Amino acid sequence: AAGVIQSPRHLIKEKRETATLKCYPIPRHDTVYWYQQGPGQDPQFLISFYEKMQSDKGSIPDRFSAQQFSDYHSELNMSSLELGDSALYFCASSLGADRTLKNIQYFGAGTRLSVL
Amino acid sequence: GQNIDQPTEMTATEGAIVQINCTYQTSGFNGLFWYQQHAGEAPTFLSYNVLDGLEEKGRFSSFLSRSKGYSYLLLKELQMKDSASYLCAVREGDSWGKLQFGAGTQVVVTP
Repeated sequence: AAGVIQSPRHLIKEKRETATLKCYPIPRHDTVYWYQQGPGQDPQFLISFYEKMQSDKGSIPDRFSAQQFSDYHSELNMSSLELGDSALYFCASSLGADRTLKNIQYFGAGTRLSVL
Repeated sequence: GQNIDQPTEMTATEGAIVQINCTYQTSGFNGLFWYQQHAGEAPTFLSYNVLDGLEEKGRFSSFLSRSKGYSYLLLKELQMKDSASYLCAVREGDSWGKLQFGAGTQVVVTP
């Protein structure tokens, strides 16, 4: 079965550069979530989109922005990168964001961002 | 916000049973999820509880008590491949699905 696809898998950037992470959800899934996981830490929710509209916002820095496109894929844009942005960035997708339903989130393999 | 607490590490031998406890304090509650995560890999969904009681799925079972803010994940017949981090995650009552994760419990299975 098709899973969540993230690209690139690895990314190396210099401080103050920009980065774009892409996420392709499971077919028919209409909701995507972005999480940041630092070394030895639990995933921290950044932002989510349902039907191309922002549905939830977490601890996402103002330097970051994201959007969901008409084909439901999502991109996370990161500018003025800092050393502390080095982390594993996961995208997850689900069918619907209705909080009354199960809406299991399935995670992609992640993008490992290293800021030098 | 909310606090989610689970033990940092547990060790058990192959074939044994291990129970990972998770306690949470939330401003609202709309489901508790357990994920397995191997180092450097994506979290993999294991189980979901929204009502009190036990959910069983093969070698894995999960229990929830909403009044106590408590859940556990039970891993039976441990295998070496079960060595991983197990994450307890709560979906807040007023959120559109975002998960708040605990710090994870590293389970080490020894021969």
